[in-house]
Amino acid sequence: ELKVEQNPLFLSMQEGKNYTIYCNYSTTSDRLYWYRQDPGKSLESLFVLLSNGAVKQEGRLMASLDTKARLSTLHITAAVHDLSATYFCAVDWSSGTYKYIFGTGTRLKVLA
Amino acid sequence: DAGVTQSPTHLIKTRGQQVTLRCSPKSGHDTVSWYQQALGQGPQFIFQYYEEEERQRGNFPDRFSGHQFPNYSSELNVNALLLGDSALYLCASSAPYNEQFFGPGTRLTVL
Repeated sequence: ELKVEQNPLFLSMQEGKNYTIYCNYSTTSDRLYWYRQDPGKSLESLFVLLSNGAVKQEGRLMASLDTKARLSTLHITAAVHDLSATYFCAVDWSSGTYKYIFGTGTRLKVLA
Repeated sequence: DAGVTQSPTHLIKTRGQQVTLRCSPKSGHDTVSWYQQALGQGPQFIFQYYEEEERQRGNFPDRFSGHQFPNYSSELNVNALLLGDSALYLCASSAPYNEQFFGPGTRLTVL
């Protein structure tokens, strides 16, 4: 059974600080997705990582994928309050099936 | 171009009742997947429809069933509702070999 684990589950950080969220998964997959979810809202796509070594950046967020280690990271640079949300990683159950297995989520709170 | 749409936005039912949720995929998308997200949890895959057939299914009981219509829209039906079925139900659509796009969700409350 494919398992996807994120850590930390909760993260409280000061504005201006850097931090990394980790996403580990238990079986081979070369497709990984990061989403943001605000309270009561749906999922907003942040990054699509489709190959080993993929790195993508958007604003203060940067995501990377290491398929050999079965690890993805979401790095936050100089956090601002607007980044407060829950972040999910999701792994394609088997490449091409588009059955996504989601991680547990990381609830991020950025303090002013 | 409208994205993925879902209806209704909110729904309140009582235990034992049946519910139908609806989803219209993004234009050009032919595959629809449904997810259940309980409060404080990550979304869980229910099933996926392609060419009007269920192609994949997650670990959900038969009380959860679905349908896809020729225009690619989809319905999720849940029979004999339980308190534990209270959740946000998300629909996602995709084009062949492309990522999924999620709709706004339907919040179901079972009393």
